[in-house]
Amino acid sequence: KAGVTQTPRYLIKTRGQQVTLSCSPISGHRSVSWYQQTPGQGLQFLFEYFSETQRNKGNFPGRFSGRQFSNSRSEMNVSTLELGDSALYLCASSLGPDQPQHFGDGTRLSIL
Amino acid sequence: QQQVKQSPQSLIVQKGGISIINCAYENTAFDYFPWYQQFPGKGPALLIAIRPDVSEKKEGRFTISFNKSAKQFSLHIMDSQPGDSATYFCAARVSGGADGLTFGKGTHLIIQP
Repeated sequence: KAGVTQTPRYLIKTRGQQVTLSCSPISGHRSVSWYQQTPGQGLQFLFEYFSETQRNKGNFPGRFSGRQFSNSRSEMNVSTLELGDSALYLCASSLGPDQPQHFGDGTRLSIL
Repeated sequence: QQQVKQSPQSLIVQKGGISIINCAYENTAFDYFPWYQQFPGKGPALLIAIRPDVSEKKEGRFTISFNKSAKQFSLHIMDSQPGDSATYFCAARVSGGADGLTFGKGTHLIIQP
């Protein structure tokens, strides 16, 4: 069974640009969550989607947004990129809300 | 406010020894406590998880001990092997809550041959 797939694996952007990251969950999983991982702040929750609806959102500015499609695939978007947005962005999928979450290998975003 | 405090930050254990990582939480509404293992260049992998209705859970060489009254839980790795060298994260969540997993800051574990 294939795991969580995140694309692209690496991205380099400049300040002010926007970026879209993609996540394909494990087959049969309907919940997708996103996390930001940085050396200073560690792993922080961004948002969670289930059945194309955002259930929860962490303490991040409105520049961070996401969506989920009918096939459970999810995308997250960051607009007006700042240097501090440089991080590893991780997607996790689960069968449903409150079920064990399984992570992909992340997208490494670097802002110049 | 750091809701899950993890210690130590780094740990060196001899091969065959027991690795112990501790976490303490503040939110008494937390009711799900997983541990994740992360290798460089990879995402966190779910190792083992516990709910507060049990005090201990064992899977292979990995054991979670849970102390509800002290609001603490720990991961024990028995017979530690060089392949266990990784960063370990504890986490907590409120079932049905408004937030996702709240993670500790991680422990960098090195198993010396």
